[in-house]
Amino acid sequence: QKEVEQNSGPLSVPEGAIASLNCTYSDRGSQSFFWYRQYSGKSPELIMFIYSNGDKEDGRFTAQLNKASQYVSLLIRDSQPSDSATYLCAVPTGGFQKLVFGTGTRLLVSP
Amino acid sequence: GAVVSQHPSWVICKSGTSVKIECRSLDFQATTMFWYRQFPKQSLMLMATSNEGSKATYEQGVEKDKFLINHASLTLSTLTVTSAHPEDSSFYICSAGPRGNNEKLFFGSGTQLSVL
Repeated sequence: QKEVEQNSGPLSVPEGAIASLNCTYSDRGSQSFFWYRQYSGKSPELIMFIYSNGDKEDGRFTAQLNKASQYVSLLIRDSQPSDSATYLCAVPTGGFQKLVFGTGTRLLVSP
Repeated sequence: GAVVSQHPSWVICKSGTSVKIECRSLDFQATTMFWYRQFPKQSLMLMATSNEGSKATYEQGVEKDKFLINHASLTLSTLTVTSAHPEDSSFYICSAGPRGNNEKLFFGSGTQLSVL
């Protein structure tokens, strides 16, 4: 079983700061990676996916992938209190739609 | 956009009863759907893969006789928690993606099960 590791947090940042969330994975053969955001009591919502080394930007979010070091990170610029949630890193296993999730990192953005 | 509908959103039941949760893909066909369970402050744990027209594939440690999965059509999968006990209380979430499209995956809104 593939393993995905995240620091559970909470990670606390002030409003307007950059939040940096990290994820490591065990299977060197993993090709794609997903970042989901989950509010308490709600289902996950996709923020970004990345499968090429380097950076991928989408609005305030930047995903960074380093396959040699087996980590993927998510940067949130200009953090807002509404970004306070748990961020889940996920890796497909046995098919693109079947995901293994990390433990999630709880982000708290203070006004 | 594509939507996955999950019902009920929450259910409270007595210990020993069975509970059925439905997961529907509203505007696409799904030959496979996935069921996850999430305990408080923990991550999503994959329980099983629901396969249309065939038996579900269960992850290690998940009791197939307790968590019955039926995927009788290309748009509906059901998870039945049989003889529920308090330790089954959890947040259950399904996911599915359009057939032939490996980049889009949608989650149901989740079902909070509380067993008294």
